[in-house]
Amino acid sequence: DTGVSQDPRHKITKRGQNVTFRCDPISEHNRLYWYRQTLGQGPEFLTYFQNEAQLEKSRLLSDRFSAERPKGSFSTLEIQRTEQGDSAMYLCASSPSGGGGNEQFFGPGTRLTVL
Amino acid sequence: AQTVTQSQPEMSVQEAETVTLSCTYDTSESDYYLFWYKQPPSRQMILVIRQEAYKQQNATENRFSVNFQKAAKSFSLKISDSQLGDAAMYFCAYRSPRSFYGGATNKLIFGTGTLLAVQP
Repeated sequence: DTGVSQDPRHKITKRGQNVTFRCDPISEHNRLYWYRQTLGQGPEFLTYFQNEAQLEKSRLLSDRFSAERPKGSFSTLEIQRTEQGDSAMYLCASSPSGGGGNEQFFGPGTRLTVL
Repeated sequence: AQTVTQSQPEMSVQEAETVTLSCTYDTSESDYYLFWYKQPPSRQMILVIRQEAYKQQNATENRFSVNFQKAAKSFSLKISDSQLGDAAMYFCAYRSPRSFYGGATNKLIFGTGTLLAVQP
């Protein structure tokens, strides 16, 4: 197993365009998370899936953001009508089910730049 | 709401020496988990060490250990015998067992990080 993978690694887009990112979790992990990290800050939680169900979504998350996890495998995060403030690193993580101390394994991230 | 504070934006240590990174948090819960994650430059974040709040014994993983002071809401990371490969951004994180709506949550709440430099 190669760990959590994300695609693309870098994305440059113009303001107002839509972008979509993909995350492939570790195969046996049924929990998947999305975080956003801006420069000089720690990652900020966006949303969480258990299998295909989206169980939690940050109240800070704009309606322009949507995430899916069809069939409980890979996940996509879409940002519509991008704004310059959306520029950040988008991190995906996965973990097995079970106790709260389970490690979340992070992917390398997708760096989004909105011009 | 829970918050995590890392008051040291940058730290520096000589190779083979010991360094301590500070972390404080705020919560009204009695049961929770604390983590230290390491983010090397241009590489993905990895778990360094974790602590369960109901365990009084401080966690240890090889050269990494924590000083968990539950009453003071403090969770510092000690790195002994520092190596060049320890240079990275270190994040302290909190995980609550309950969400705002009372159900289970698995989200991590991170501090702003401490950038550790290791001098040869």
